[in-house]
Amino acid sequence: DGGITQSPKYLFRKEGQNVTLSCEQNLNHDAMYWYRQDPGQGLRLIYYSQIVNDFQKGDIAEGYSVSREKKESFPLTVTSAQKNPTAFYLCASSIGGSFPTGTFGSGTRLTVV
Amino acid sequence: AQTVTQSQPEMSVQEAETVTLSCTYDTSENNYYLFWYKQPPSRQMILVIRQEAYKQQNATENRFSVNFQKAAKSFSLKISDSQLGDTAMYFCAFNEAYSGGGADGLTFGKGTHLIIQP
Repeated sequence: DGGITQSPKYLFRKEGQNVTLSCEQNLNHDAMYWYRQDPGQGLRLIYYSQIVNDFQKGDIAEGYSVSREKKESFPLTVTSAQKNPTAFYLCASSIGGSFPTGTFGSGTRLTVV
Repeated sequence: AQTVTQSQPEMSVQEAETVTLSCTYDTSENNYYLFWYKQPPSRQMILVIRQEAYKQQNATENRFSVNFQKAAKSFSLKISDSQLGDTAMYFCAFNEAYSGGGADGLTFGKGTHLIIQP
C-alpha cells in the first residue's frame, strides 16, 4: 500500500545534539512538507519541497535543516540551534499544485532530555 | 499571509447530538481550498472534508457537512448524529490553489477539542 512512513515514532535527544527525522513516501508525490505541532497550537510549517534538490523555508524554519536528494525522501534535521525542539513532528506529501491530494505520516515525537 | 481562526478551544456534546465547529479565515486570494482534519489520540491526521472555493455547493461526506460562506470567510463543520469515535481534535486548514504548481502547504487553525459524551 502507498503511504508515508515516518521514523522513529519516538525520539530522545540530549541538549546540544543534532537529530534527524526520517520521512519516506511511495506515492510518487512531487511535494513534501514538514510540520511541527505543539500543545494548544495547530500545525506550523517548517520546510517544504516542491521538487528534488529544491526546498523553501516555512513559517518556523530557524534551527531546522532539510534535504531533498530523492523524490521519495525528505529528512528533517533538528539542530542544536533550535531553542525548544520538544514537539510532535508531522511529514506530509502531495502531488503538487495544491494540497487536495495531501497525505500525512503518523508523526515523530521528539523529546529533549 | 493567510490566517485561520478557530474560536472554540473545546466543545462537549452528548452522543447522537449535532454539533457545529466554527472556523474563519483571512485571505486576499479568490481561489483556494479549505479543509477539516480530524486528529484522534493516535495523532494521525485524517481528512474529514474539503471545499473548493469556486464551488458554491457545500461539501458533504456522510455525517459531516460544511457551511461555506465565502463573502464572510467562514467555514464551519457540522457533525450529525455524533458518535463516541468522533472524539478528537479538529483542525480547519487553508491552502491556496495554483494553476501551475507551487504547493506551499497548509495554514492551520489552533484546533477544537471535541468530546462526545456517552
